[in-house]
Amino acid sequence: SVLTQPPSVSGAPGQSVTISCTGASSDFDVHWYQHLPGAAPKFLIYGNYNRPSGVPDRFSGSKSGTSAFLAISGLQAEDEGVYYCQSYDSSLGGSAWVFGGGTKVTVL
Amino acid sequence: EVQLVQSGAEMKKPGESLKISCKASGYNFDIYWIGWVRHVPGKGLEWMAIIYPEDSETTYSPSLQGLVTISADTSMNTAYLEWSSLRASDSATYFCARSEAGIGTGFFDFWGQGTVVTVSS
Repeated sequence: SVLTQPPSVSGAPGQSVTISCTGASSDFDVHWYQHLPGAAPKFLIYGNYNRPSGVPDRFSGSKSGTSAFLAISGLQAEDEGVYYCQSYDSSLGGSAWVFGGGTKVTVL
Repeated sequence: EVQLVQSGAEMKKPGESLKISCKASGYNFDIYWIGWVRHVPGKGLEWMAIIYPEDSETTYSPSLQGLVTISADTSMNTAYLEWSSLRASDSATYFCARSEAGIGTGFFDFWGQGTVVTVSS
């Protein structure tokens, strides 16, 4: 993938973790999804830092240049899952939506 | 309430054809893009294709162009993903999802529950 994420991050309950997503185009927004085991992906952050209604403010997003970040504060057991960034790429010999490889969040 | 309800699990043999569906409700189907995303355990999410039902404008992932066909029936509020000849490597869970935009700033705000496709001889 043109979007690179760390394979895994971990933290104890109540701690904070940050997931990076590098390689994004500076021309396009980055969005984030949470994929819990056995469920459909859930829309978490859009337009780099906007939270849809219903998403706790423990989740926050940011973007600087070609890197985006998802921060999870006050980590809870229910946050354990895989998190994906998504953006758009117009350089792959065609235009394409792209996902990062995913980051597994483990709550210790 | 926006809902995307997908067709059930499929077990197929290599070389067979398949068409899976995604029925939308709770919004104006014609004017939102519908995309398909596949998930192979251990390999993450992969965007496959997207369609604008009102005029059937489509965009495919460069790596999947020609291997799958996306379509939509506005009279049925349903989107489809079709294979003419399945391969074992097509085994995955397939999700449909809705977007307000087809390019650029688009993101998927509602997702179907997923369709598991198993291709094995």
